[in-house]
Amino acid sequence: DAGITQSPRHKVTETGTPVTLRCHQTENHRYMYWYRQDPGHGLRLIHYSYGVKDTDKGEVSDGYSVSRSKTEDFLLTLESATSSQTSVYFCAISESGGPGPGEQFFGPGTRLTVL
Amino acid sequence: SQQGEEDPQALSIQEGENATMNCSYKTSINNLQWYRQNSGRGLVHLILIRSNEREKHSGRLRVTLDTSKKSSSLLITASRAADTASYFCATVQTGANNLFFGTGTRLTVIP
Repeated sequence: DAGITQSPRHKVTETGTPVTLRCHQTENHRYMYWYRQDPGHGLRLIHYSYGVKDTDKGEVSDGYSVSRSKTEDFLLTLESATSSQTSVYFCAISESGGPGPGEQFFGPGTRLTVL
Repeated sequence: SQQGEEDPQALSIQEGENATMNCSYKTSINNLQWYRQNSGRGLVHLILIRSNEREKHSGRLRVTLDTSKKSSSLLITASRAADTASYFCATVQTGANNLFFGTGTRLTVIP
């Protein structure tokens, strides 16, 4: 398995509280991604990074921010959690697939519940 | 909106039969990828096919790509109960740094 971990694996929080999810890789891959997975929607991209301090928005970025201060860590922050952000969050990493990203390796996921 | 759409949404077959899943997309792509997800787990990459390729094989998997029809198919031959999972296609649009995933096909292989 690719060296990619997510923390925490499970979290229950209350509406209005800030939440930070961490993705850590040991593969030195260039690209890192945050997705959410909800029934009926498949995986939807929240934000991604194509290098240290280089990030861009995905399909469902509202209410989320990210930071990547070093290659191995990619943080996803919910500034003020809402019930609509209850979901399973996956981090993924990738190297170039020439052109564009190649295969992605996924973390085990974080199940977030916002009450 | 999502780039890839899988068909069918669900498929149930007997062990030993072949399973075919289809994916359609909307714009030009650099590559198309297929992933498997077992219940409660992260996605696992199966195969990547580039826009200039028409067919790729990996073990019991065969993927075809028709860029003129903007479609791809994943064939799993001689299916096993362990193949029970959800299968997703994902596309990398030309010039993009990210993938767009479809909603997936839920495959059930009955022993």
